[in-house]
Amino acid sequence: QKEVEQDPGPLSVPEGAIVSLNCTYSNSAFQYFMWYRQYSRKGPELLMYTYSSGNKEDGRFTAQVDKSSKYISLFIRDSQPSDSATYLCAMSYGQNFVFGPGTRLSVLP
Amino acid sequence: DVKVTQSSRYLVKRTGEKVFLECVQDMDHENMFWYRQDPGLGLRLIYFSYDVKMKEKGDIPEGYSVSREKKERFSLILESASTSQTSMYLCASSQGHINGYTFGSGTRLTVV
Repeated sequence: QKEVEQDPGPLSVPEGAIVSLNCTYSNSAFQYFMWYRQYSRKGPELLMYTYSSGNKEDGRFTAQVDKSSKYISLFIRDSQPSDSATYLCAMSYGQNFVFGPGTRLSVLP
Repeated sequence: DVKVTQSSRYLVKRTGEKVFLECVQDMDHENMFWYRQDPGLGLRLIYFSYDVKMKEKGDIPEGYSVSREKKERFSLILESASTSQTSMYLCASSQGHINGYTFGSGTRLTVV
């Protein structure tokens, strides 16, 4: 079993849809959870950052962490074509930092 | 605007060449990392460094070496490039691990 699992997609949605991106993990020691967005031919950029369980909202984006289920989610409301990118989850504890493989999202006008 | 700058966006090298990929950060970060990214395999850690002149192997160090002579600069060296090293190379830096990484724009290396 991989340490972090993420559906690679691709996921295609119409503009305005609510998008749900998810990762599961196996190591209960992870404490910090992040989502990165990577546009084509660019490096990943940090989108959301959360510590432990709960929700965090930033504009159209909501990050959700459920440590009991070892499951994290990123919700995008009112999705826009500019949201089309690959989304990578990441998590860490101590010096250990692990990325998911990424989900490719396309938002169609 | 804080930055991680990678010296080349695209690079084409011949098999057997020694290749240098340069990375500079202006955030005074302690930690620097080199990843490669391949379709279906995600990000794989090659080498990292937590301090000047310090280096640690990541998950796939074979065929690579690194140099960190100054805090802001972390170089990745392909000793003898092979076609299997054709990939997107990403440099990142961080201050601690709880605030995430800042990535460069990447170098797409093609070895022919």
